[in-house]
Amino acid sequence: GNSVTQMEGPVTLSEEAFLTINCTYTATGYPSLFWYVQYPGEGLQLLLKATKADDKGSNKGFEATYRKETTSFHLEKGSVQVSDSAVYFCALGGSQGNLIFGKGTKLSVKP
Amino acid sequence: ETGVTQSPTHLIKTRGQQVTLRCSSQSGHNTVSWYQQALGQGPQFIFQYYREEENGRGNFPPRFSGLQFPNYSSELNVNALELDDSALYLCASSFDRGAGTGELFFGEGSRLTVL
Repeated sequence: GNSVTQMEGPVTLSEEAFLTINCTYTATGYPSLFWYVQYPGEGLQLLLKATKADDKGSNKGFEATYRKETTSFHLEKGSVQVSDSAVYFCALGGSQGNLIFGKGTKLSVKP
Repeated sequence: ETGVTQSPTHLIKTRGQQVTLRCSSQSGHNTVSWYQQALGQGPQFIFQYYREEENGRGNFPPRFSGLQFPNYSSELNVNALELDDSALYLCASSFDRGAGTGELFFGEGSRLTVL
């Protein structure tokens, strides 16, 4: 069945460092892909999405490109801030209008 | 615009008991989905309700059941609680089953502990 695999955390970076969180997926067809973020004490919220191959989603300085050939949707940011500390979830759109999530990657950014 | 609200925020039950969790969807949304998030895991889809009917279900046993009301609020009921049911239960609302956009609006969750 459809599934998402994302890199294990936790990830600890210094402020202004470059961030990559790897995400690969297994799916039939070409589902939409998403990154959700969970800040401390808050609910999950959509960070960015891509609905077809080669689409690039972007928001708040984060980017991810839908790569069909490598079945990947890696999250990147050129310069992280302390306020980016959160848990990041890669997800794909399921056939029932649901989302299939990865296990999450906790990011801590130190000043 | 009112966001998704869930109640209670925390609760403790014992094995074999029953629990009801509640969710108010975001204004204008007609679809509610429930997810279970075990510690250190990603959310797992339980089921979705669209216009008061179950519209999809994940790999959860029948003792997980739900309702959606005419105002689109929803309940998740779990009978015969087991220790493994301890988790954060997330409610998410959307318009027209997410309409392919996948943007779900999540509440902060109800944390259930089963002893």
